[in-house]
Amino acid sequence: GNSVTQMEGPVTLSEEAFLTINCTYTATGYPSLFWYVQYPGEGLQLLLKATKADDKGSNKGFEATYRKETTSFHLEKGSVQVSDSAVYFCALKLRGNNNDMRFGAGTRLTVKP
Amino acid sequence: DAGVIQSPRHEVTEMGQEVTLRCKPISGHNSLFWYRQTMMRGLELLIYFNNNVPIDDSGMPEDRFSAKMPNASFSTLKIQPSEPRDSAVYFCASIPSVAGSTEAFFGQGTRLTVV
Repeated sequence: GNSVTQMEGPVTLSEEAFLTINCTYTATGYPSLFWYVQYPGEGLQLLLKATKADDKGSNKGFEATYRKETTSFHLEKGSVQVSDSAVYFCALKLRGNNNDMRFGAGTRLTVKP
Repeated sequence: DAGVIQSPRHEVTEMGQEVTLRCKPISGHNSLFWYRQTMMRGLELLIYFNNNVPIDDSGMPEDRFSAKMPNASFSTLKIQPSEPRDSAVYFCASIPSVAGSTEAFFGQGTRLTVV
C-alpha cells in the first residue's frame, strides 16, 4: 500500500542547530511529496512540496529533495529558531483523480533558546 | 475564501453520548478527508470522499464511527456511542478538483474529550 514513514520524535535542538527529519515513502505510483507543519493549537499547513524526482522544495529556510532512488524526502534546515517549534508531517499524494493523500505520524520539534 | 471550517472547535461529552463533528470544505474542492490526531498514534486517516462519494473508509476504527457527505459543501463525522478512547483532535481537510500536485487545506480541528 501507499504509506509514509518518518523519524520518530520528539526532537529537541538548541537555537541555530542543524535540523534533519527523515522521511521515506512507499507508493504504487509516482507521488507528489509534501512537508506540512502544525503549530500549537492549529491545523496543518503546507510548508513545501516537490512533484518529481530531484525536485527541491524550499520555504522559510527549510528544504527537502525528492529522491526517487532512495524513496526519501528528508526535511532539513541549516539553523533552526525557537519559532520553528512545531510538529512536522511528511505526506504523499498519488497522481490521478482519486486525490489519495497519506501522512506520516508527525515529528515534534522543540527548539530551545 | 474562509478556508475549511470545522465545528465545534471543542466538544466535551459523556461516555455513551452521540457526537457529531461538522466540516465545510473550501468551495470548489472535490475531495474531503477526515483525520484523527492523538499523541499515541499521530495523524490517522479515517475516511476520504471524492465528489461526495466515500472512497476509502478503511481507517474508520469501528462501527461506532460513521461519516457522510450529503453534498459538496458539508460533511459530518458521527461517533455513537462515544468512548473515552475517542478523545482526540479531529481534522477535516479538502483538496481542489485539479488532479496532480495540489496540497490539502486543513481546518482548525475539533478537540473532542469524552469523559
